[in-house]
Amino acid sequence: DAKTTQPPSMDCAEGRAANLPCNHSTISGNEYVYWYRQIHSQGPQYIIHGLKNNETNEMASLIITEDRKSSTLILPHATLRDTAVYYCIGHNNNDMRFGAGTRLTVKP
Amino acid sequence: DTEVTQTPKHLVMGMTNKKSLKCEQHMGHRAMYWYKQKAKKPPELMFVYSYEKLSINESVPSRFSPECPNSSLLNLHLHALQPEDSALYLCASSQGQEAFFGQGTRLTVV
Repeated sequence: DAKTTQPPSMDCAEGRAANLPCNHSTISGNEYVYWYRQIHSQGPQYIIHGLKNNETNEMASLIITEDRKSSTLILPHATLRDTAVYYCIGHNNNDMRFGAGTRLTVKP
Repeated sequence: DTEVTQTPKHLVMGMTNKKSLKCEQHMGHRAMYWYKQKAKKPPELMFVYSYEKLSINESVPSRFSPECPNSSLLNLHLHALQPEDSALYLCASSQGQEAFFGQGTRLTVV
């Protein structure tokens, strides 16, 4: 598992884009970058993952730098329901460990 | 069916009790996980089963005993727990890509 570093907290205005950074400078070439989020007292929920290319799905976009040492999760139009702790994890096998994550608060 | 089902949702047990947590998935996933989560902390990996064999044990005390009776089921047997073991216990499953998590069992040890 790659060690990941995320800011402990961020705020975002409702309707605006939320950009959540993650540093994973020790990621190895075959490790994917995964993003999960956890809304209070619920199980974590998968958001998106990628290896080298940028990815987009119905929930979010993932931008991975060319050197793969960092990535940004983008929620294009944040809503109050996006308030959660967001975790970035680098791994390629079943050894999946969570770092401290970023607590995102979306404000009206 | 993309659900991971954990039972019970809540459990209160005494320090001398024996209880079990159960986790079930029917997605054909061959990796299953147990995590422990304390309040305001990230989930902490406890055990991983891969193809019904224990592949990771994070030096968890022996009062926690995992069991994977078949590819769909994962149990966590609890015995002689301490109050500090009170936490949310999360189960997850995966098959090479994203993991799916259950809603957890909130355990209180009294």
